[in-house]
Amino acid sequence: SQQGEEDPQALSIQEGENATMNCSYKTSINNLQWYRQNSGRGLVHLILIRSNEREKHSGRLRVTLDTSKKSSSLLITASRAADTASYFCGGSNYKLTFGKGTLLTVNP
Amino acid sequence: EAQVTQNPRYLITVTGKKLTVTCSQNMNHEYMSWYRQDPGLGLRQIYYSMNVEVTDKGDVPEGYKVSRKEKRNFPLILESPSPNQTSLYFCASSIQDRGVNEQFFGPGTRLTVL
Repeated sequence: SQQGEEDPQALSIQEGENATMNCSYKTSINNLQWYRQNSGRGLVHLILIRSNEREKHSGRLRVTLDTSKKSSSLLITASRAADTASYFCGGSNYKLTFGKGTLLTVNP
Repeated sequence: EAQVTQNPRYLITVTGKKLTVTCSQNMNHEYMSWYRQDPGLGLRQIYYSMNVEVTDKGDVPEGYKVSRKEKRNFPLILESPSPNQTSLYFCASSIQDRGVNEQFFGPGTRLTVL
């Protein structure tokens, strides 16, 4: 079972705008993680938020976690063309599984 | 340099010919995992391992085997590959501390089964 379902499946914005992606998961987790993937390459870890945290920041990234709703959101502020990639969330307990991802396109 | 390596990176083979994709990490991580990625289906977990000699099925284990005899290595074995196993495969590793932590991914193995 997948511990991460991203929404929307695709998002297209202009450079400088903010991008928000959402994630839902099914069972209890220890932490939730967001990853980025450039086409055909391995995933790169962006940020991890633990189940007892509600919000976390890293540079232009802001992640929130609502364990009562089993959901998380990733906000990328002041987006750049280089942010164009697929973004995956994964919920972790004793293992880590992912959803299908959100394809973000940032137009220059 | 901390890394996860996979070999081969590209492989074209024929139905039924046994193959092994190797995965190795140099970070002393307990947790290792294999995923396959197919268009429209995201990343699906095949097998994972929480430590040496401890392996468990993921969401799509049929047609695959793994072993974890050493901490650093986690090979993926296809005993009798079939065309539906044509995919992009990723190995990943992580420490385990209150759950699986930041995963480091290998570069991927693109497998084509004819």
